Amino acid sequence: QLQLQESGPGLVKPSETLSLTCTVSYDSITNIDYYWGWIRQPPEKGLEWIGSIFYTGDTYYNPSLKSRVTMSVDTSKNQFSLQLSSVTAADTAVYYCARLRTRRTVDSWGQGTLVTVSS
Amino acid sequence: QTVVTQEPSFSVSPGGTLTLTCGLSSGSVSSSYYPSWYQQTPGQPPRTLIYSTNSRSSGVPDRFSGSILGNKAALTITGAQADDESHYYCVLYMGSGILVFGGGTKVTVL
Repeated sequence: QLQLQESGPGLVKPSETLSLTCTVSYDSITNIDYYWGWIRQPPEKGLEWIGSIFYTGDTYYNPSLKSRVTMSVDTSKNQFSLQLSSVTAADTAVYYCARLRTRRTVDSWGQGTLVTVSS
Repeated sequence: QTVVTQEPSFSVSPGGTLTLTCGLSSGSVSSSYYPSWYQQTPGQPPRTLIYSTNSRSSGVPDRFSGSILGNKAALTITGAQADDESHYYCVLYMGSGILVFGGGTKVTVL
């Protein structure tokens, strides 16, 4: 049974960079059938796709966040990561890591981690 | 900028049937958008219900079905139960690896 576990600081200061890592268990991040992604949800609001990455490093980002987002993969650790730069309070959200079927569908979700942007 | 539209809220009686829709601010939804549907209860991560228009995710009961109705994607829930009370989100694939979530529909069973 696939497990996805987000980790990283729960508090980030404005203008700094948010960094999160997702550890994948019971599947290989090099599985060619899947992409890996990040989705976020501000408090009391809807879901927003941030980006997706293939194990080769092929990436796709939300155009509205593209200038601030970097995703990467570490196949040796079976992990993938998110960096979001120049954060503001508007970036406060629960961040979910996820597995995507053929880039088009999220088929598994992590439990999510709350990141608060505040000084 | 393309907006994916959903009803903000919907009410259904226990045992009833409801159909939620997922549209585009401009244009029609077809299977080429690979519509998918997700259920989320408060404090929990979303759960994948439907992908590629009408394929049920593993473990999802057949009370949940997906389709294209007219120019929108649709999620139909038959025999509504109390634990179907949730938020439901659709996602459309825009091509070039881009996914867009709808704003979500809050479903109340009463």
